[in-house]
Amino acid sequence: EAGVTQSPTHLIKTRGQQATLRCSPISGHTSVYWYQQALGLGLQFLLWYDEGEERNRGNFPPRFSGRQFPNYSSELNVNALELEDSALYLCASSQTGTATNEKLFFGSGTQLSVL
Amino acid sequence: SQQGEEDPQALSIQEGENATMNCSYKTSINNLQWYRQNSGRGLVHLILIRSNEREKHSGRLRVTLDTSKKSSSLLITASRAADTASYFCALALPSGAGSYQLTFGKGTKLSVIP
Repeated sequence: EAGVTQSPTHLIKTRGQQATLRCSPISGHTSVYWYQQALGLGLQFLLWYDEGEERNRGNFPPRFSGRQFPNYSSELNVNALELEDSALYLCASSQTGTATNEKLFFGSGTQLSVL
Repeated sequence: SQQGEEDPQALSIQEGENATMNCSYKTSINNLQWYRQNSGRGLVHLILIRSNEREKHSGRLRVTLDTSKKSSSLLITASRAADTASYFCALALPSGAGSYQLTFGKGTKLSVIP
């Protein structure tokens, strides 16, 4: 069974550009989560999608957005990139977003570098 | 802050020794989970302990939870060089409509020296 896959592995952009990151969850999982891991800051929750709907978002500006497709894959878009957006972006999936004792399955991440 | 705080931030031990990491938090939780991250990679789930449980074991891992002190510990016994990684505690916090969201701490970086 394939795990959570993310693409691209690395992405280099310049300030002001837009970045698109992609995630495919484990087959059968309907929930997708996005986290940002900047150096020394731990994992910061970005967005949660379930059944095609945005269920929750973290404390990030609106230029961070995304969507979930009918096949449950997801895109994270970051507009007007800033230097501090440089980070490892991790996608995770779970069977549903509502079970009280669910664990997350993570992809290997996309390393975004903003120059 | 609603995230857990791991302690210590970094830990270096010899192979064969035990490693203990702690996580403290300030809010009520549904469950607490521990994850491991090898350098620059995705996180891997290790163990989940519910709020009504006090201790759980999985192989060489032992997790305790004290809800009165709002703290948890992860013990890795007989450590191996392959245990070198960052370890994160994650709190399952209510996020509305009966669902829960995992909030991660900054992690403990464990180095096991062969």
